[in-house]
Amino acid sequence: KAGVTQTPRYLIKTRGQQVTLSCSPISGHRSVSWYQQTPGQGLQFLFEYFSETQRNKGNFPGRFSGRQFSNSRSEMNVSTLELGDSALYLCASSTGAGGSDTQYFGPGTRLTVL
Amino acid sequence: DAKTTQPNSMESNEEEPVHLPCNHSTISGTDYIHWYRQLPSQGPEYVIHGLTSNVNNRMASLAIAEDRKSSTLILHRATLRDAAVYYCILRDGDFGNEKLTFGTGTRLTIIP
Repeated sequence: KAGVTQTPRYLIKTRGQQVTLSCSPISGHRSVSWYQQTPGQGLQFLFEYFSETQRNKGNFPGRFSGRQFSNSRSEMNVSTLELGDSALYLCASSTGAGGSDTQYFGPGTRLTVL
Repeated sequence: DAKTTQPNSMESNEEEPVHLPCNHSTISGTDYIHWYRQLPSQGPEYVIHGLTSNVNNRMASLAIAEDRKSSTLILHRATLRDAAVYYCILRDGDFGNEKLTFGTGTRLTIIP
């Protein structure tokens, strides 16, 4: 079974630009979650999509948004990039069953904002 | 979200057992205890989870205290590949709660 894939793996942008990251979940998984990892803040939850609907949301500004398609693939968008948005962005997929469920993480997209 | 407390770092010799502790004194009755680890330059990887009883899988064992206020991840025979940051996470058992709240974790160093 193929794992979670994320594209691109590396990205360099400049301040003010916008960026779209993509995540393909494990086949059969309906939930996709996104996380941001920085040296200062660690791993932080951004949001989760289940069956094309945002079901949970973390404490990030509205510049961070996402969506999920009918095939469960998900995209995350960051508008008006700031230097502080430089981070490793991780997505995780699961069946969406909750606390007893396992989340499977992708390798991440390393975003650098100059 | 209920909080967990872990030591910042631990060291262990290769081929010896490792016991990684986690305190979660505010755990609720529906919280599952999950462990993930993150190897350098990789995304987090699921290790094990449990609710009340001790659990074993091919990677590790999870020992849960009777009052559930603490747990211990046991790696039976550490290898260099086990060097990683280990996260102990509580997850509400309710359907629809997929959020993982990561703490700072325990950085495990394996000494050859």
